Amino acid sequence: DVKVTQSSRYLVKRTGEKVFLECVQDMDHENMFWYRQDPGLGLRLIYFSYDVKMKEKGDIPEGYSVSREKKERFSLILESASTNQTSMYLCASTPLGYGRAWEQYFGPGTRLTVT
Amino acid sequence: DAKTTQPPSMDCAEGRAANLPCNHSTISGNEYVYWYRQIHSQGPQYIIHGLKNNETNEMASLIITEDRKSSTLILPHATLRDTAVYYCIARAYNNNDMRFGAGTRLTVKP
Repeated sequence: DVKVTQSSRYLVKRTGEKVFLECVQDMDHENMFWYRQDPGLGLRLIYFSYDVKMKEKGDIPEGYSVSREKKERFSLILESASTNQTSMYLCASTPLGYGRAWEQYFGPGTRLTVT
Repeated sequence: DAKTTQPPSMDCAEGRAANLPCNHSTISGNEYVYWYRQIHSQGPQYIIHGLKNNETNEMASLIITEDRKSSTLILPHATLRDTAVYYCIARAYNNNDMRFGAGTRLTVKP
């Protein structure tokens, strides 16, 4: 019943390190998303991708990059981690299609701590 | 997507109806209103969506005003398990983007 998986549940990194967060979905979805969640701020969209090698900026892309080399995999990259990137990161996927919002599936999340 | 405004928090007594408001005064004609909820740090769960007619499913009812500038999500008999953050989103049907705001934290009290 696995749908969206994320490489780590918990991650601790040092300031300045390069960090990779991996997300894999097994539903052949076209769209994939990366969000971060912080108390009181809800879910904020970092980047999304609607096709292999395609990416679009969300609301808070600064300090992040993404990679989508294969349809099932969407990676979030922190080039030089900073303490203000300590957060819960959630990956999601949806099929391409009109309004199929009810088919959005989320991964379990990665709680990243940057020290 | 049109901007939505929700109260940051609400309380509701267990067994009573929970009415969660959402303002979307700049909504355009092709934008639907979607509601999701998020329990703890799990991913958001879809609840319901509508365009201009009221909608009901097994989870909730959605009431959209005639001018479509606001809506209300109704949980008819709230339980403790309905304690969650509820997100209201105005989004065009063919928009593959999905953005959430801060939502409303609903606390159902015994």
